[in-house]
Amino acid sequence: EAGVTQSPTHLIKTRGQQATLRCSPISGHTSVYWYQQALGLGLQFLLWYDEGEERNRGNFPPRFSGRQFPNYSSELNVNALELEDSALYLCASSLNRYEQYFGPGTRLTVT
Amino acid sequence: GQQLNQSPQSMFIQEGEDVSMNCTSSSIFNTWLWYKQEPGEGPVLLIALYKAGELTSNGRLTAQFGITRKDSFLNISASIPSDVGIYFCAGQLGGSQGNLIFGKGTKLSVKP
Repeated sequence: EAGVTQSPTHLIKTRGQQATLRCSPISGHTSVYWYQQALGLGLQFLLWYDEGEERNRGNFPPRFSGRQFPNYSSELNVNALELEDSALYLCASSLNRYEQYFGPGTRLTVT
Repeated sequence: GQQLNQSPQSMFIQEGEDVSMNCTSSSIFNTWLWYKQEPGEGPVLLIALYKAGELTSNGRLTAQFGITRKDSFLNISASIPSDVGIYFCAGQLGGSQGNLIFGKGTKLSVKP
Protein backbone atom coordinates (compact mmCIF):
# COMPACT_ATOMS: atom_id res chain seq x y z
CA GLU A 1 0.00 0.00 0.00
CA ALA A 2 1.44 3.35 -1.03
CA GLY A 3 1.97 5.89 1.72
CA VAL A 4 1.28 9.59 1.75
CA THR A 5 3.08 11.36 -1.09
CA GLN A 6 4.01 15.02 -1.32
CA SER A 7 5.35 17.20 -4.09
CA PRO A 8 7.62 18.89 -4.71
CA THR A 9 10.36 17.63 -2.42
CA HIS A 10 12.03 21.02 -2.34
CA LEU A 11 10.74 24.46 -3.27
CA ILE A 12 12.69 27.69 -3.38
CA LYS A 13 10.79 30.96 -3.60
CA THR A 14 11.53 34.60 -3.07
CA ARG A 15 9.83 36.82 -0.56
CA GLY A 16 6.38 37.97 -1.71
CA GLN A 17 5.82 35.06 -4.11
CA GLN A 18 3.23 32.32 -3.78
CA ALA A 19 3.93 28.65 -3.09
CA THR A 20 1.74 25.65 -3.85
CA LEU A 21 2.35 22.33 -2.16
CA ARG A 22 0.57 19.10 -2.99
CA CYS A 23 -0.36 15.98 -1.06
CA SER A 24 -1.88 12.63 -1.97
CA PRO A 25 -3.26 10.66 0.97
CA ILE A 26 -3.15 6.93 1.55
CA SER A 27 -5.80 5.25 -0.58
CA GLY A 28 -9.11 5.20 1.30
CA HIS A 29 -8.18 7.99 3.72
CA THR A 30 -10.55 10.93 3.57
CA SER A 31 -8.89 13.29 6.06
CA VAL A 32 -5.81 15.34 5.21
CA TYR A 33 -3.86 17.45 7.69
CA TRP A 34 -1.13 20.02 7.09
CA TYR A 35 1.59 20.83 9.61
CA GLN A 36 4.53 23.21 9.58
CA GLN A 37 7.83 22.06 11.09
CA ALA A 38 10.12 25.01 11.51
CA LEU A 39 13.53 24.72 13.13
CA GLY A 40 13.24 24.81 16.89
CA LEU A 41 9.45 25.09 16.88
CA GLY A 42 8.29 21.52 16.47
CA LEU A 43 5.24 20.56 14.45
CA GLN A 44 2.52 23.17 14.33
CA PHE A 45 -0.96 22.38 13.02
CA LEU A 46 -2.05 24.36 9.95
CA LEU A 47 -5.21 22.93 8.40
CA TRP A 48 -7.49 19.89 8.42
CA TYR A 49 -9.63 18.84 5.45
CA ASP A 50 -12.17 16.06 5.49
CA GLU A 51 -14.56 15.08 2.72
CA GLY A 52 -13.64 18.20 0.80
CA GLU A 53 -14.36 20.63 3.63
CA GLU A 54 -12.05 22.62 5.88
CA ARG A 55 -12.76 21.28 9.38
CA ASN A 56 -10.27 23.08 11.55
CA ARG A 57 -7.53 25.65 11.26
CA GLY A 58 -4.46 26.37 13.34
CA ASN A 59 -3.18 29.74 14.50
CA PHE A 60 -1.80 30.87 11.14
CA PRO A 61 -2.63 33.96 9.05
CA PRO A 62 -5.17 33.77 6.19
CA ARG A 63 -2.41 33.79 3.58
CA PHE A 64 -2.09 30.09 4.44
CA SER A 65 -4.96 28.38 2.67
CA GLY A 66 -5.73 25.16 0.90
CA ARG A 67 -8.31 22.86 -0.47
CA GLN A 68 -9.17 19.21 -0.83
CA PHE A 69 -10.16 17.73 -4.15
CA PRO A 70 -12.84 15.08 -4.84
CA ASN A 71 -10.15 12.39 -4.96
CA TYR A 72 -9.09 13.52 -1.41
CA SER A 73 -5.75 14.89 -2.52
CA SER A 74 -4.98 18.31 -1.13
CA GLU A 75 -3.15 21.49 -1.92
CA LEU A 76 -1.62 24.02 0.46
CA ASN A 77 -1.16 27.56 -0.80
CA VAL A 78 1.00 30.14 0.90
CA ASN A 79 0.63 33.68 -0.43
CA ALA A 80 2.90 36.68 0.08
CA LEU A 81 5.75 34.51 1.30
CA GLU A 82 7.83 35.75 4.20
CA LEU A 83 11.28 34.61 5.26
CA GLU A 84 9.87 32.95 8.39
CA ASP A 85 7.70 30.69 6.21
CA SER A 86 10.83 28.66 5.49
CA ALA A 87 10.13 25.24 6.97
CA LEU A 88 9.31 21.61 6.29
CA TYR A 89 5.63 21.29 5.42
CA LEU A 90 4.20 17.92 6.33
CA CYS A 91 0.99 16.39 5.13
CA ALA A 92 -0.73 13.56 7.01
CA SER A 93 -3.76 11.46 6.20
CA SER A 94 -6.15 9.53 8.40
CA LEU A 95 -9.01 7.10 8.05
CA ASN A 96 -10.34 7.35 11.60
CA ARG A 97 -9.37 10.96 12.52
CA TYR A 98 -7.01 9.64 15.22
CA GLU A 99 -4.03 7.85 13.72
CA GLN A 100 -2.33 10.21 11.31
CA TYR A 101 0.22 8.99 8.78
CA PHE A 102 2.74 11.48 7.46
CA GLY A 103 4.36 12.01 4.10
CA PRO A 104 8.03 12.90 3.62
CA GLY A 105 7.34 16.62 3.51
CA THR A 106 8.12 19.55 1.24
CA ARG A 107 11.08 21.70 2.21
CA LEU A 108 10.16 25.33 1.45
CA THR A 109 12.95 27.88 1.42
CA VAL A 110 12.10 31.57 1.11
CA THR A 111 14.94 33.89 0.16
CA GLY B 1 -2.96 27.16 23.78
CA GLN B 2 -2.34 23.58 24.79
CA GLN B 3 1.26 22.52 25.22
CA LEU B 4 2.99 19.22 25.67
CA ASN B 5 6.13 19.07 27.78
CA GLN B 6 8.36 16.31 26.49
CA SER B 7 11.48 15.15 28.30
CA PRO B 8 14.30 14.62 28.11
CA GLN B 9 15.22 16.89 25.22
CA SER B 10 18.06 14.58 24.21
CA MET B 11 19.63 11.29 25.26
CA PHE B 12 23.01 9.73 24.58
CA ILE B 13 23.03 6.05 25.40
CA GLN B 14 25.04 2.91 24.84
CA GLU B 15 23.70 0.18 22.56
CA GLY B 16 21.77 -2.35 24.63
CA GLU B 17 20.54 0.14 27.22
CA ASP B 18 16.87 0.79 27.90
CA VAL B 19 15.39 4.22 27.20
CA SER B 20 12.49 6.06 28.77
CA MET B 21 10.90 9.36 27.72
CA ASN B 22 7.66 11.03 28.70
CA CYS B 23 5.18 13.76 27.93
CA THR B 24 2.99 15.75 30.26
CA SER B 25 0.28 18.28 29.70
CA SER B 26 -2.06 20.53 31.61
CA SER B 27 -4.86 19.40 29.27
CA ILE B 28 -6.73 16.11 29.16
CA PHE B 29 -6.23 14.20 25.93
CA ASN B 30 -8.42 11.52 24.37
CA THR B 31 -5.61 10.03 22.31
CA TRP B 32 -1.84 9.82 22.67
CA LEU B 33 0.43 8.95 19.77
CA TRP B 34 4.16 8.37 19.57
CA TYR B 35 6.15 9.07 16.40
CA LYS B 36 9.75 8.70 15.29
CA GLN B 37 11.34 11.03 12.75
CA GLU B 38 14.64 10.47 10.98
CA PRO B 39 16.53 13.16 9.06
CA GLY B 40 14.87 14.14 5.78
CA GLU B 41 11.76 12.11 6.46
CA GLY B 42 8.30 12.60 7.88
CA PRO B 43 7.30 11.26 11.30
CA VAL B 44 6.46 7.56 11.42
CA LEU B 45 3.68 6.40 13.71
CA LEU B 46 4.96 3.97 16.33
CA ILE B 47 2.14 3.50 18.83
CA ALA B 48 -1.39 4.85 19.33
CA LEU B 49 -3.11 4.89 22.73
CA TYR B 50 -6.82 5.44 23.26
CA LYS B 51 -7.72 4.61 26.87
CA ALA B 52 -6.48 5.89 30.22
CA GLY B 53 -4.12 3.30 31.71
CA GLU B 54 -3.66 1.51 28.39
CA LEU B 55 -0.28 -0.15 27.92
CA THR B 56 0.67 -1.04 24.34
CA SER B 57 3.75 -2.64 22.88
CA ASN B 58 5.25 -2.63 19.40
CA GLY B 59 8.31 -4.87 19.38
CA ARG B 60 10.86 -3.37 21.75
CA LEU B 61 8.72 -0.28 22.25
CA THR B 62 6.16 0.07 25.04
CA ALA B 63 3.96 3.09 25.65
CA GLN B 64 1.38 3.92 28.29
CA PHE B 65 -1.55 6.32 28.44
CA GLY B 66 -1.49 7.94 31.90
CA ILE B 67 -4.39 7.42 34.30
CA THR B 68 -4.99 11.17 34.55
CA ARG B 69 -5.10 11.38 30.70
CA LYS B 70 -2.53 14.16 30.97
CA ASP B 71 0.62 12.16 30.40
CA SER B 72 2.21 9.33 28.49
CA PHE B 73 5.55 7.58 28.41
CA LEU B 74 7.52 5.58 25.87
CA ASN B 75 10.10 2.94 26.72
CA ILE B 76 12.57 1.37 24.31
CA SER B 77 14.25 -1.78 25.52
CA ALA B 78 17.68 -3.03 24.47
CA SER B 79 18.39 -0.09 22.15
CA ILE B 80 20.13 -0.63 18.82
CA PRO B 81 21.85 1.88 16.47
CA SER B 82 18.81 2.11 14.18
CA ASP B 83 16.77 3.53 17.07
CA VAL B 84 18.55 6.84 16.45
CA GLY B 85 16.15 9.64 15.62
CA ILE B 86 13.79 12.15 17.17
CA TYR B 87 10.82 10.77 19.07
CA PHE B 88 7.69 12.90 19.33
CA CYS B 89 4.66 12.50 21.50
CA ALA B 90 1.39 13.89 20.21
CA GLY B 91 -1.96 14.32 21.86
CA GLN B 92 -5.40 14.82 20.46
CA LEU B 93 -8.16 16.53 22.39
CA GLY B 94 -10.90 14.77 20.48
CA GLY B 95 -11.89 13.54 17.06
CA SER B 96 -13.80 16.71 16.30
CA GLN B 97 -10.64 18.76 16.84
CA GLY B 98 -8.74 16.70 14.30
CA ASN B 99 -5.32 18.16 14.85
CA LEU B 100 -2.52 16.70 16.92
CA ILE B 101 -0.57 18.74 19.46
CA PHE B 102 3.09 17.75 19.43
CA GLY B 103 5.83 17.75 22.01
CA LYS B 104 9.18 19.25 20.98
CA GLY B 105 10.78 15.85 20.67
CA THR B 106 13.46 13.72 22.30
CA LYS B 107 16.60 13.29 20.23
CA LEU B 108 18.05 9.82 20.77
CA SER B 109 21.66 8.98 20.00
CA VAL B 110 22.89 5.40 20.38
CA LYS B 111 26.57 4.58 20.63
CA PRO B 112 27.49 1.14 19.23
